[in-house]
Amino acid sequence: EIVLTQSPGTLSLSPGERATLSCRASQRVISAYLAWYQQKPGQAPRLLIYGASDRATGIPDRFIGSGSGTDFTLTISRLEPEDFAVYYCQQSGSSPMCSFGQGTKLEIK
Amino acid sequence: EVQLLESGGGLVEPGGSLRLSCAASGFTFNSYAMSWVRQAPGKGLEWVSSISGSGVDTYYTDSVKGRFTISRDNPKNTLYLRMNSLRAEDTAVYFCAKDLAAAGTQFDHWGQGTLVTVSS
Repeated sequence: EIVLTQSPGTLSLSPGERATLSCRASQRVISAYLAWYQQKPGQAPRLLIYGASDRATGIPDRFIGSGSGTDFTLTISRLEPEDFAVYYCQQSGSSPMCSFGQGTKLEIK
Repeated sequence: EVQLLESGGGLVEPGGSLRLSCAASGFTFNSYAMSWVRQAPGKGLEWVSSISGSGVDTYYTDSVKGRFTISRDNPKNTLYLRMNSLRAEDTAVYFCAKDLAAAGTQFDHWGQGTLVTVSS
C-alpha cells in the first residue's frame, strides 16, 4: 500500500503570496495517477489537478501541479481569498484502489 | 450538468445495517466507474469502494471487506452501498464520486455527502 505524506500540515499565508504544498509517496507513483483536491468546510472535495499536472475543467491557471516519482507539488502562484481551504493529494494504480494524503490546511495569516 | 445526490444516511446502532444511495444525472451513467469515499468527523478523506461501469468489477478497502457491498442499477442511474455489521469507526460523511475516466482513479464530480453515525 502506498502511503502519501503531505507537508506542511498547516500553511499560513496572506492573499497574493505563493503557496507550495508537498505530497511525498512511500513508493513510486505513476504521474498519470496523481491528483489534487481542494475542500472547503461543509463542502465536497473539488478536483483541481489530475495526472500530476493537468488542470481540471474550470480550474484557474494559478493552480500548478508538478512532480514525479515520489515527490509531487501543488503550487498556487498568487493566493486569492477563496483559495484558503484544505488540500489533499491522491494516488491510484492500475486498479481503482486508491489512497489520499492526510491533507494540508491553507489558512489566512 | 453532472449531479450526484446521496441519501440513506442516519443514526444506527453498532452491528446494524444501512443502505446508501446515490442518484446520478447529467452524464452517461453506465460509462463511468463510481466510488464511495468517506470522511470521519474532523478527519481526512478515505477511499471506501469502487465499481466498474458495468457493475462486474468491485473493489473495497480492507477495513470494509466482507461488511460493505457496492452495487449499481444502471437503468435507474443509481449507485448503492450496503453497509452491514457497522462499527463506531464507520461514522463518517459518505460521498459518492464519479470517475474522471482518465488514467487511474480520479474523481471529477462529488455528491454533497450523507452522514452515517454509528452509536448506541
